[in-house]
Amino acid sequence: DADVTQTPRNRITKTGKRIMLECSQTKGHDRMYWYRQDPGLGLRLIYYSFDVKDINKGEISDGYSVSRQAQAKFSLSLESAIPNQTALYFCATSDWAGGNEQFFGPGTRLTVL
Amino acid sequence: QKEVEQNSGPLSVPEGAIASLNCTYSDRGSQSFFWYRQYSGKSPELIMSIYSNGDKEDGRFTAQLNKASQYVSLLIRDSQPSDSATYLCAVTASPSGSARQLTFGSGTQLTVLP
Repeated sequence: DADVTQTPRNRITKTGKRIMLECSQTKGHDRMYWYRQDPGLGLRLIYYSFDVKDINKGEISDGYSVSRQAQAKFSLSLESAIPNQTALYFCATSDWAGGNEQFFGPGTRLTVL
Repeated sequence: QKEVEQNSGPLSVPEGAIASLNCTYSDRGSQSFFWYRQYSGKSPELIMSIYSNGDKEDGRFTAQLNKASQYVSLLIRDSQPSDSATYLCAVTASPSGSARQLTFGSGTQLTVLP
């Protein structure tokens, strides 16, 4: 079984809809991250969490919110999706003891029409 | 100014050659450096980490770090067609778990020609 899982893997939705992307991990890591990837722009950090009570905005948090339901679960929500949020979304995890090495989930391809 | 710079490529090398990928960074306080490989449509996969000046070798991969020049590179020896992917450089400000963020370059696309 994969250490970091993301659901759904693909989603097509319409402008204005609320969308939730979910991430679960079995690695036992305390830190979790949400990134988006756009062609030519690389990976950009949306939100990150170092434990259940610690949530931080990243580079591009506007239009997104997150919830850390448990150490193993970190969800990303788009309250009212817009077309420029069409992207590939990745969840990642890391461990304090392991330095800053981050391990990525398989990604969710989101299309907003 | 972008904090982590990579040539976008594409970089093409023949099978069996050495592929050299370069990355520069702007924050002199950066301490931890990573190379990820990403196949098209897939997630980034960590292949190398380096924390101190010099070379670090792992199989066919060698990471090189020069903090004075703010430069980190990845060499792939005996390149194989399966090495064709985008390579992402990532940098963070602390050598320990206290750093809060990784900054990624936009990646270099490598093609290894059979």
